[in-house]
Amino acid sequence: RKEVEQDPGPFNVPEGATVAFNCTYSNSASQSFFWYRQDCRKEPKLLMSVYSSGNEDGRFTAQLNRASQYISLLIRDSKLSDSATYLCVAVMDSNYQLIWGAGTKLIIKP
Amino acid sequence: DAGVTQSPTHLIKTRGQHVTLRCSPISGHKSVSWYQQVLGQGPQFIFQYYEKEERGRGNFPDRFSARQFPNYSSELNVNALLLGDSALYLCASSLGTGMYTQYFGPGTRLTVL
Repeated sequence: RKEVEQDPGPFNVPEGATVAFNCTYSNSASQSFFWYRQDCRKEPKLLMSVYSSGNEDGRFTAQLNRASQYISLLIRDSKLSDSATYLCVAVMDSNYQLIWGAGTKLIIKP
Repeated sequence: DAGVTQSPTHLIKTRGQHVTLRCSPISGHKSVSWYQQVLGQGPQFIFQYYEKEERGRGNFPDRFSARQFPNYSSELNVNALLLGDSALYLCASSLGTGMYTQYFGPGTRLTVL
């Protein structure tokens, strides 16, 4: 089992819709989580951090469910520019290494 | 302020050769991490350096090595290249180790023929 798992997608979503995807992690000792977005052939860019209380930034909301060991990302009123691959990251508490999921591809259609 | 810079942007090598990739962190950042990203996968951790010392190492063979210089820039060296080393190599800088946010450079795309 991979340490961080994501549905690879692609998620094909009409513009303006709400979309959500999850990321599961296997190590219960993970304390911090992040969502990055990566455009095709570009570097990952930090989207938002995810802490115990969750986090909201404009149209984006991230939640953490420790009991079920998953984090989620919700995008409201999706824009064409939201099309990208969304990478989930778990920080290992023991050595602070970042463990990355393989990403979920999101395609917003007009 | 300049972000993380990496050089070269693209590189083509043949099997058995060696390669050196370079990274300059954001000014004021003392930690540099290296990742390998194969198409369709997330980044895989290779090394982390902080204050010129190795602070973490991923599951990569000894053909991979790195170092950090007094100005906090870093080099990643790969010897005896294999076809499977073809990937995007990403450098990320952060203020320190631990929970600090990592900021990525544009990467070096290595193709091994």
